[in-house]
Amino acid sequence: GAGVSQSPSNKVTEKGKDVELRCDPISGHTALYWYRQSLGQGLEFLIYFQGNSAPDKSGLPSDRFSAERTGGSVSTLTIQRTQQEDSAVYLCASSPGQGPPLHFGNGTRLTVT
Amino acid sequence: GDSVTQMEGPVTLSEEAFLTINCTYTATGYPSLFWYVQYPGEGLQLLLKATKADDKGSNKGFEATYRKETTSFHLEKGSVQVSDSAVYFCALSDRKGAQKLVFGQGTRLTINP
Repeated sequence: GAGVSQSPSNKVTEKGKDVELRCDPISGHTALYWYRQSLGQGLEFLIYFQGNSAPDKSGLPSDRFSAERTGGSVSTLTIQRTQQEDSAVYLCASSPGQGPPLHFGNGTRLTVT
Repeated sequence: GDSVTQMEGPVTLSEEAFLTINCTYTATGYPSLFWYVQYPGEGLQLLLKATKADDKGSNKGFEATYRKETTSFHLEKGSVQVSDSAVYFCALSDRKGAQKLVFGQGTRLTINP
């Protein structure tokens, strides 16, 4: 596709369940980023992938959060044992090289009940 | 820690009006500064950037100048159009790298014909 694609667009889950969020970056983009936006908050960095390098995981808020990127393309963000404070919009972005994210997807709105 | 403060919205202007959206920052060291735009129904995209003091970023008629003495990066446009209606986010790079951005809260701009 032409842009960054995220799925699902909305996800409602019960507290304690695991969820997986998917991101398809723009074709050929080597850099992939995950951010989240909680209600009333600015965007918060979570994790960054660049090519085959080890990811920068310094923004992940707890060990319940993990992400992987397969084949240098699609990425999955996994949240285990979800908590209500995990409710947010999770945004993925990609760029053709190093530096800031250029294009974001429309996000996945996660609601933990 | 690093932070970005943006002019609170929403901002409503008439077509062809002059636009200023204020952005100030607090950072250790010498960050790079960015403006992102989110048009209705779309993901955020990078609008412009400046990497050092007195640099001017520009794109699509928008400009912003990196002012170290006032720690500001105000977004300006001389004559806005209805199509500029969007949410605008100011951001700075973490001193460790431009992939880890700190965002402001966003300012919603509506332009009336």
